[in-house]
Amino acid sequence: SAVISQKPSRDICQRGTSLTIQCQVDSQVTMMFWYRQQPGQSLTLIATANQGSEATYESGFVIDKFPISRPNLTFSTLTVSNMSPEDSSIYLCSVGRDEKLFFGSGTQLSVL
Amino acid sequence: GNSVTQMEGPVTLSEEAFLTINCTYTATGYPSLFWYVQYPGEGLQLLLKATKADDKGSNKGFEATYRKETTSFHLEKGSVQVSDSAVYFCALSDLSGGSYIPTFGRGTSLIVHP
Repeated sequence: SAVISQKPSRDICQRGTSLTIQCQVDSQVTMMFWYRQQPGQSLTLIATANQGSEATYESGFVIDKFPISRPNLTFSTLTVSNMSPEDSSIYLCSVGRDEKLFFGSGTQLSVL
Repeated sequence: GNSVTQMEGPVTLSEEAFLTINCTYTATGYPSLFWYVQYPGEGLQLLLKATKADDKGSNKGFEATYRKETTSFHLEKGSVQVSDSAVYFCALSDLSGGSYIPTFGRGTSLIVHP
């Protein structure tokens, strides 16, 4: 298994500002994933973060809006930049092991 | 491409009632199938999985059988409890596509009343 600590757990932000979400894993993992979960919607993969290389973004998500850092094998950050109310959502980090995904508890973001 | 379709919620039941949450899938290869559960205020947790046809995954009284002929993986529990109230996500991962990153359904909210 994997224990994932994600913070902040929630935040309320003003339009035009940026928020950085941190994700810490209790063991080394090759790939970390960032998801967005909007109310009543499925989980949408934003990007895959590999240590030592640039993140791979899914269709509809760009690095300028969602820059990701992966400085080592146990840590990653996702920044939501220049926020608008449409960015209000839950953001989840996740790691894969043995074909299973383990998730952090999520960051509930509200943009006013 | 791969997709997962779940029944819409919320599903509202009384305690000790029988639960079924339907899930069907479309996949080009031979996927593994999963149910994840998200309790209020928490991240998703793996509930059970099945990796091949006719496999039955089970955990905490929940069961789901991988039915290739009907491309389904319905979640069942014989007697639900208030503590089962959560959002349940069906997912598949298709290694033949080169990645095990799952495809998720929309989630089905379950509300159990005492």
